[in-house]
Amino acid sequence: AQSVTQPDIHITVSEGASLELRCNYSYGATPYLFWYVQSPGQGLQLLLKYFSGDTLVQGIKGFEAEFKRSQSSFNLRKPSVHWSDAAEYFCAVGAVTNAGKSTFGDGTTLTVKP
Amino acid sequence: DAGVIQSPRHEVTEMGQEVTLRCKPISGHNSLFWYRQTMMRGLELLIYFNNNVPIDDSGMPEDRFSAKMPNASFSTLKIQPSEPRDSAVYFCASSLGGASSPLHFGNGTRLTVT
Repeated sequence: AQSVTQPDIHITVSEGASLELRCNYSYGATPYLFWYVQSPGQGLQLLLKYFSGDTLVQGIKGFEAEFKRSQSSFNLRKPSVHWSDAAEYFCAVGAVTNAGKSTFGDGTTLTVKP
Repeated sequence: DAGVIQSPRHEVTEMGQEVTLRCKPISGHNSLFWYRQTMMRGLELLIYFNNNVPIDDSGMPEDRFSAKMPNASFSTLKIQPSEPRDSAVYFCASSLGGASSPLHFGNGTRLTVT
């Protein structure tokens, strides 16, 4: 069975600083990986996804993520954080089943200091 | 594309009452998921459907919870009778199905059981 670990429950960064959110997965085959963001009072929104090919993927809102098979990681990065990036971030791995059930990590809450 | 539509956005009810949450998935999506989110337990998958058929309901907490999908454009999650510990935000999500398809979430229903 697949699993996802987000080691950091809460991260605080200053506005304008760089950001890296960690995600480690466990899956027997080539994973389908996703990052979602949840702003207060809203549902989760897809930031980016990785299936195959280039291991550095670009997403919306200036985010990118790098797939490293050797480390079973899919870390999310942003060069310069904006106050509006404060939210909760979820990493997920997709299951190879017809229904596409995804397994989510526990999330990382990002606080942005002015 | 109107997105996944959930109703109501907020529901306050007394213990013992029946609660029905509603979801309209994105047209053309053939997988539908119900999640529950709480501070203590995070994001939990309750049940998911593929082509209107329940595929996995192992996350449904107990017999008080039931879900239906009578057609491709509508699903309900019912709690009868409701208890204070059911208080949470309930999300519906839909996808095209398959491991590579990201989930599209609604904005959730915040349920408070007093």
